[in-house]
Amino acid sequence: QVQLVQSGAEVKKPGASVKVSCKGSGYTFTNYVMHWVRQAPGQSLEWMGWINAGSGNTKYSQKFQGRVTITRDTSASTAFMDLSSLRYEDTAVYFCARLPTFGGAFDVWGQGTMVTVSS
Amino acid sequence: EIVLTQAPGTLSLSPGERATLSCRASQSVSSSSLAWHQQKPGQAPRLLIYGASSRATGIPDRFSGSGSGTDFTLTISRLEPEDFAVYYCQLYGSSYTFGQGTKLEIK
Repeated sequence: QVQLVQSGAEVKKPGASVKVSCKGSGYTFTNYVMHWVRQAPGQSLEWMGWINAGSGNTKYSQKFQGRVTITRDTSASTAFMDLSSLRYEDTAVYFCARLPTFGGAFDVWGQGTMVTVSS
Repeated sequence: EIVLTQAPGTLSLSPGERATLSCRASQSVSSSSLAWHQQKPGQAPRLLIYGASSRATGIPDRFSGSGSGTDFTLTISRLEPEDFAVYYCQLYGSSYTFGQGTKLEIK
């Protein structure tokens, strides 16, 4: 079945970087755009950016521009989200979600990865 | 940037009742770019509705979406116990924004 499986929880110190992976299976990875969304404890969802898994093109939210890098490895059907210069307020669950390149909405989500920033 | 405002913040209803959730955009948006997601505690969101009114695969027909312009509605015709969750509207396409959510709780 179609699924997105993310890497495990991370604990990082302020100023460090974190890299979260998202492996797609059950579908053609390069036919979709992979988005990254985060959710701080008790808060709503916040869009971070996307990568077109086929072309490799990316777009980032202005809020995270310069701190976030999204990449992909098509041979492994995996997308990656790298967030640098971590702050306490980056503590959140990070989700990947796919969007068809041919139109539609975020139809499949990863299970989420908890990132805790703590000294 | 377009802001999505959901109302009410919390909705208390009983199983079997009808739920009506609102999502208002700060400016007119394309209906083809409005989605609703359901999220239960400790879980990822799940797509319910896309294009304002199209049900996603496997979503029961008690869920329906409507609206256009700046005002959109998610209706759950008869609440089942598993429907009590947080619901988010989302804009997608040229921009990606979520509302703050409506918590649907058991009365």
